[in-house]
Amino acid sequence: ETGVTQSPTHLIKTRGQQVTLRCSSQSGHNTVSWYQQALGQGPQFIFQYYREEENGRGNFPPRFSGLQFPNYSSELNVNALELDDSALYLCASSPRGPAGGRNEQFFGPGTRLTVL
Amino acid sequence: DAKTTQPPSMDCAEGRAANLPCNHSTISGNEYVYWYRQIHSQGPQYIIHGLKNNETNEMASLIITEDRKSSTLILPHATLRDTAVYYCIVRPGPTRNAGNMLTFGGGTRLMVKP
Repeated sequence: ETGVTQSPTHLIKTRGQQVTLRCSSQSGHNTVSWYQQALGQGPQFIFQYYREEENGRGNFPPRFSGLQFPNYSSELNVNALELDDSALYLCASSPRGPAGGRNEQFFGPGTRLTVL
Repeated sequence: DAKTTQPPSMDCAEGRAANLPCNHSTISGNEYVYWYRQIHSQGPQYIIHGLKNNETNEMASLIITEDRKSSTLILPHATLRDTAVYYCIVRPGPTRNAGNMLTFGGGTRLMVKP
């Protein structure tokens, strides 16, 4: 059983550009969440996808968007990159729907994005 | 969401028990206490969770006070590989919106020393 994988591992972009980050969820997991982790801070929830629809969103602007595919993999897209978007972006999958009270999340290793 | 308070850092001698405290005085009745850890340059890793009873698994034990306002994560025999940031999280009650959202605070940086 493979765990959560993310690509690329590192990425450098310039301000104003757009970026797409990818995540493959753990086998059998149908819910995917994305988190942003700035240096020295805890991860911050961006949004969650379940059955290919956004199902919950944190305090992030609309230029952060996502997709979930029928195989449960997911993409995070960020438009009009800003310097403050430099962070580690983490993807997490969980095995059941969003309303489970005991769901644990399995995190990938993250993609480190640097915006210059 | 209920907030959690953890000490920013702790040290522990290798082989000894590491006891990591967490205060969550505003926790509501249907909220669980979750613990995750993040080893340097990796994604967070689930450790354990509980609602009101003490819990134990192969990684750790979780002691929740009777009033549920605080908890302690216990690593019974800490090793150097347990050096990490440990996050205590109170998970929102199950709702359709952001039911799986985890709200991370600053965590406790545990340093296990030889």
